[in-house]
Amino acid sequence: DGGITQSPKYLFRKEGQNVTLSCEQNLNHDAMYWYRQDPGQGLRLIYYSQIVNDFQKGDIAEGYSVSREKKESFPLTVTSAQKNPTAFYLCASSIDGGPGQGAKNIQYFGAGTRLSVL
Amino acid sequence: KQEVTQIPAALSVPEGENLVLNCSFTDSAIYNLQWFRQDPGKGLTSLLLIQSSQREQTSGRLNASLDKSSGRSTLYIAASQPGDSATYLCAVSGQGAQKLVFGQGTRLTINP
Repeated sequence: DGGITQSPKYLFRKEGQNVTLSCEQNLNHDAMYWYRQDPGQGLRLIYYSQIVNDFQKGDIAEGYSVSREKKESFPLTVTSAQKNPTAFYLCASSIDGGPGQGAKNIQYFGAGTRLSVL
Repeated sequence: KQEVTQIPAALSVPEGENLVLNCSFTDSAIYNLQWFRQDPGKGLTSLLLIQSSQREQTSGRLNASLDKSSGRSTLYIAASQPGDSATYLCAVSGQGAQKLVFGQGTRLTINP
Protein backbone atom coordinates (compact mmCIF):
# COMPACT_ATOMS: atom_id res chain seq x y z
CA ASP A 1 0.00 0.00 0.00
CA GLY A 2 1.25 3.48 -0.84
CA GLY A 3 1.50 5.98 1.93
CA ILE A 4 3.55 7.94 4.40
CA THR A 5 5.17 6.22 7.35
CA GLN A 6 6.30 8.11 10.42
CA SER A 7 8.33 6.52 13.17
CA PRO A 8 8.43 6.20 16.04
CA LYS A 9 4.84 6.81 17.13
CA TYR A 10 6.01 8.03 20.55
CA LEU A 11 9.40 9.55 21.40
CA PHE A 12 10.92 10.87 24.59
CA ARG A 13 13.75 13.37 24.69
CA LYS A 14 16.14 14.01 27.53
CA GLU A 15 17.47 17.46 28.32
CA GLY A 16 20.22 18.50 25.89
CA GLN A 17 19.59 15.58 23.55
CA ASN A 18 19.02 15.67 19.81
CA VAL A 19 16.35 13.32 18.48
CA THR A 20 15.43 12.40 14.91
CA LEU A 21 11.95 11.71 13.61
CA SER A 22 11.64 9.53 10.53
CA CYS A 23 9.34 10.15 7.56
CA GLU A 24 9.26 7.84 4.55
CA GLN A 25 6.89 7.93 1.57
CA ASN A 26 6.40 5.52 -1.31
CA LEU A 27 4.00 7.74 -3.26
CA ASN A 28 6.73 9.04 -5.58
CA HIS A 29 5.89 12.58 -4.44
CA ASP A 30 8.36 15.39 -5.07
CA ALA A 31 7.38 17.65 -2.18
CA MET A 32 7.56 16.83 1.54
CA TYR A 33 6.70 18.84 4.65
CA TRP A 34 7.09 18.85 8.43
CA TYR A 35 4.48 20.41 10.71
CA ARG A 36 4.16 20.85 14.43
CA GLN A 37 0.77 20.70 16.20
CA ASP A 38 0.25 21.89 19.77
CA PRO A 39 -2.89 20.98 21.77
CA GLY A 40 -5.98 22.72 20.44
CA GLN A 41 -3.98 24.42 17.72
CA GLY A 42 -3.71 24.20 13.99
CA LEU A 43 -0.54 23.03 12.28
CA ARG A 44 2.54 25.19 11.84
CA LEU A 45 5.09 24.57 9.10
CA ILE A 46 8.63 23.75 10.24
CA TYR A 47 10.44 22.89 6.98
CA TYR A 48 9.51 21.84 3.47
CA SER A 49 11.30 20.38 0.49
CA GLN A 50 10.21 20.59 -3.14
CA ILE A 51 12.98 18.40 -4.51
CA VAL A 52 15.86 16.18 -3.43
CA ASN A 53 18.81 18.02 -1.88
CA ASP A 54 16.79 21.19 -1.45
CA PHE A 55 14.67 22.44 1.47
CA GLN A 56 13.36 25.71 2.88
CA LYS A 57 12.51 26.98 6.33
CA GLY A 58 8.90 27.30 7.32
CA ASP A 59 7.46 29.57 9.98
CA ILE A 60 9.04 27.91 13.04
CA ALA A 61 12.35 26.38 11.86
CA GLU A 62 14.47 27.48 14.83
CA GLY A 63 15.75 24.50 16.82
CA TYR A 64 15.05 22.03 14.01
CA SER A 65 17.06 20.64 11.09
CA VAL A 66 16.21 18.44 8.09
CA SER A 67 17.84 16.65 5.20
CA ARG A 68 16.51 15.42 1.85
CA GLU A 69 19.10 13.02 0.44
CA LYS A 70 16.51 10.69 -1.09
CA LYS A 71 13.17 11.43 -2.69
CA GLU A 72 11.31 9.11 -0.35
CA SER A 73 12.86 10.25 2.94
CA PHE A 74 12.70 13.54 4.87
CA PRO A 75 13.96 13.11 8.46
CA LEU A 76 13.50 15.87 11.05
CA THR A 77 16.00 16.41 13.87
CA VAL A 78 14.81 18.22 16.97
CA THR A 79 17.94 19.75 18.42
CA SER A 80 18.76 20.75 21.98
CA ALA A 81 18.25 24.35 20.87
CA GLN A 82 14.51 23.70 20.67
CA LYS A 83 13.49 24.57 24.24
CA ASN A 84 9.85 23.55 23.99
CA PRO A 85 9.80 20.43 21.82
CA THR A 86 6.75 18.71 23.34
CA ALA A 87 4.21 18.48 20.51
CA PHE A 88 2.65 16.25 17.86
CA TYR A 89 4.79 16.21 14.69
CA LEU A 90 3.23 15.50 11.32
CA CYS A 91 4.93 14.78 8.02
CA ALA A 92 3.18 15.27 4.69
CA SER A 93 3.89 14.97 0.99
CA SER A 94 2.37 16.18 -2.26
CA ILE A 95 2.94 15.36 -5.91
CA ASP A 96 4.06 18.89 -6.66
CA GLY A 97 4.69 21.82 -4.39
CA GLY A 98 4.49 24.48 -7.06
CA PRO A 99 1.65 27.01 -7.42
CA GLY A 100 -1.44 26.47 -9.52
CA GLN A 101 -1.07 22.71 -9.76
CA GLY A 102 -4.55 21.92 -8.50
CA ALA A 103 -4.90 18.39 -7.21
CA LYS A 104 -1.11 17.98 -7.30
CA ASN A 105 -0.99 20.33 -4.31
CA ILE A 106 -3.10 18.05 -2.10
CA GLN A 107 -1.03 17.11 0.92
CA TYR A 108 -1.15 13.57 2.30
CA PHE A 109 -0.24 13.08 5.94
CA GLY A 110 1.42 10.41 8.03
CA ALA A 111 0.01 9.26 11.38
CA GLY A 112 2.33 11.51 13.39
CA THR A 113 4.96 11.25 16.12
CA ARG A 114 4.21 12.44 19.63
CA LEU A 115 7.35 13.89 21.24
CA SER A 116 7.63 14.46 24.97
CA VAL A 117 10.41 15.69 27.22
CA LEU A 118 11.61 13.55 30.12
CA LYS B 1 0.83 37.77 7.32
CA GLN B 2 -1.93 35.33 6.48
CA GLU B 3 -4.19 34.35 9.37
CA VAL B 4 -6.88 31.70 9.28
CA THR B 5 -9.76 31.56 11.76
CA GLN B 6 -12.33 28.84 12.27
CA ILE B 7 -15.53 29.43 14.16
CA PRO B 8 -16.92 27.77 16.20
CA ALA B 9 -14.09 25.96 17.99
CA ALA B 10 -16.48 23.15 18.88
CA LEU B 11 -19.89 22.08 17.65
CA SER B 12 -22.26 19.36 18.83
CA VAL B 13 -25.36 18.40 16.82
CA PRO B 14 -27.80 15.47 16.67
CA GLU B 15 -27.41 12.87 13.97
CA GLY B 16 -29.11 13.64 10.66
CA GLU B 17 -28.73 17.40 10.76
CA ASN B 18 -27.15 19.41 7.98
CA LEU B 19 -24.39 21.67 9.25
CA VAL B 20 -21.94 24.35 8.16
CA LEU B 21 -18.39 24.92 9.32
CA ASN B 22 -16.80 28.30 8.74
CA CYS B 23 -13.30 29.37 7.79
CA SER B 24 -12.06 32.92 7.22
CA PHE B 25 -8.68 34.20 6.04
CA THR B 26 -7.16 37.65 6.02
CA ASP B 27 -5.24 37.72 2.71
CA SER B 28 -7.26 36.95 -0.42
CA ALA B 29 -4.13 36.26 -2.51
CA ILE B 30 -4.26 32.49 -2.17
CA TYR B 31 -3.54 29.64 -4.58
CA ASN B 32 -5.96 27.19 -3.04
CA LEU B 33 -7.88 26.26 0.09
CA GLN B 34 -8.02 22.78 1.54
CA TRP B 35 -10.32 21.16 4.10
CA PHE B 36 -8.95 18.32 6.23
CA ARG B 37 -10.34 15.92 8.79
CA GLN B 38 -8.35 14.83 11.86
CA ASP B 39 -9.38 12.00 14.17
CA PRO B 40 -8.01 12.11 17.75
CA GLY B 41 -4.28 11.36 17.87
CA LYS B 42 -4.11 10.78 14.12
CA GLY B 43 -2.81 12.49 11.03
CA LEU B 44 -4.89 14.57 8.65
CA THR B 45 -7.02 13.32 5.78
CA SER B 46 -7.64 15.63 2.84
CA LEU B 47 -11.35 16.12 2.14
CA LEU B 48 -11.54 18.79 -0.53
CA LEU B 49 -9.25 21.20 -2.37
CA ILE B 50 -10.62 24.34 -4.01
CA GLN B 51 -8.37 26.19 -6.40
CA SER B 52 -8.46 29.98 -6.29
CA SER B 53 -10.33 30.08 -9.62
CA GLN B 54 -13.09 27.79 -8.36
CA ARG B 55 -16.19 28.59 -6.29
CA GLU B 56 -16.95 25.18 -4.85
CA GLN B 57 -16.08 21.50 -4.72
CA THR B 58 -18.25 18.52 -3.81
CA SER B 59 -17.46 15.04 -2.56
CA GLY B 60 -20.32 12.84 -1.45
CA ARG B 61 -22.13 14.54 1.44
CA LEU B 62 -19.51 17.29 1.62
CA ASN B 63 -19.61 20.59 -0.22
CA ALA B 64 -17.01 23.32 0.19
CA SER B 65 -17.39 26.85 -1.11
CA LEU B 66 -14.85 29.60 -1.55
CA ASP B 67 -15.38 33.36 -1.69
CA LYS B 68 -11.91 34.83 -2.16
CA SER B 69 -13.01 38.45 -2.18
CA SER B 70 -14.58 38.19 1.27
CA GLY B 71 -11.93 35.79 2.59
CA ARG B 72 -14.39 33.06 3.50
CA SER B 73 -14.95 29.36 2.96
CA THR B 74 -17.65 27.06 4.27
CA LEU B 75 -17.80 23.29 4.57
CA TYR B 76 -21.33 21.96 4.34
CA ILE B 77 -22.01 18.45 5.68
CA ALA B 78 -25.34 16.94 4.72
CA ALA B 79 -27.21 14.36 6.77
CA SER B 80 -24.54 14.14 9.48
CA GLN B 81 -23.58 10.76 10.95
CA PRO B 82 -21.76 9.79 14.18
CA GLY B 83 -18.79 8.74 12.01
CA ASP B 84 -18.41 12.38 10.96
CA SER B 85 -17.26 13.23 14.49
CA ALA B 86 -13.72 14.62 14.20
CA THR B 87 -11.81 17.89 14.06
CA TYR B 88 -12.09 19.71 10.75
CA LEU B 89 -9.28 22.03 9.69
CA CYS B 90 -9.09 24.43 6.81
CA ALA B 91 -5.82 25.63 5.34
CA VAL B 92 -4.91 28.18 2.69
CA SER B 93 -1.79 28.33 0.61
CA GLY B 94 0.37 31.22 1.66
CA GLN B 95 3.51 32.38 -0.16
CA GLY B 96 3.46 29.69 -2.81
CA ALA B 97 1.17 26.70 -2.97
CA GLN B 98 3.40 24.60 -0.75
CA LYS B 99 3.11 26.80 2.34
CA LEU B 100 -0.20 26.01 3.98
CA VAL B 101 -1.49 28.20 6.80
CA PHE B 102 -3.94 26.32 9.04
CA GLY B 103 -6.85 27.39 11.17
CA GLN B 104 -7.18 26.00 14.70
CA GLY B 105 -9.95 23.64 13.66
CA THR B 106 -13.56 22.95 14.63
CA ARG B 107 -14.15 19.92 16.82
CA LEU B 108 -17.39 18.34 15.62
CA THR B 109 -19.45 15.85 17.63
CA ILE B 110 -22.46 14.12 16.08
CA ASN B 111 -24.75 12.65 18.73
CA PRO B 112 -26.67 9.43 17.88
